[in-house]
Amino acid sequence: KAGVTQTPRYLIKTRGQQVTLSCSPISGHRSVSWYQQTPGQGLQFLFEYFSETQRNKGNFPGRFSGRQFSNSRSEMNVSTLELGDSALYLCASSLRGNTEAFFGQGTRLTVV
Amino acid sequence: GQNIDQPTEMTATEGAIVQINCTYQTSGFNGLFWYQQHAGEAPTFLSYNVLDGLEEKGRFSSFLSRSKGYSYLLLKELQMKDSASYLCAVRDSVANQGGKLIFGQGTELSVKP
Repeated sequence: KAGVTQTPRYLIKTRGQQVTLSCSPISGHRSVSWYQQTPGQGLQFLFEYFSETQRNKGNFPGRFSGRQFSNSRSEMNVSTLELGDSALYLCASSLRGNTEAFFGQGTRLTVV
Repeated sequence: GQNIDQPTEMTATEGAIVQINCTYQTSGFNGLFWYQQHAGEAPTFLSYNVLDGLEEKGRFSSFLSRSKGYSYLLLKELQMKDSASYLCAVRDSVANQGGKLIFGQGTELSVKP
């Protein structure tokens, strides 16, 4: 069974640009959550999607958005990038959201 | 508020046993997770406790006491490859409503020969 797949693995963007990250969950999993990991703040919850609907949201500005497709794949978008958005972005896949959660390899975003 | 506390660093000897503690205060609770994260890599799932008691999985065991807001991860027969950061996380939600994971800052474990 394939694990959680995130693309791309690495990304370098310039301040002010926007970026889209992709996450394909484990087959059959319907919940996808996104997290930001930085050395100073650790792992912080961005949002969760279940059956194409945002079910939970963390405390991030509106520049961070996401969506989920009917095949449960999810995308995360960050607009007007700031230097502080440089981080490892992780998505976690879960069957329904209330069971074990498994992480993808992450996308390392560097904003210059 | 939401708070998860775990020691910042621990050191142990190869072949020994180490216990990493985690205490939590969250507005909701629907499970506690332990993850292992090697430098530069994604977190790897180790265990999930939703009921009180001990869950054993090979060299790793995890314990939960919901009344005390306390968990620990026990690693036996330590190996050099166990050197990593260990993350404690609580799912803050009611059942069947999904929810977010709130993470502690992680415990950096160094295993010495």
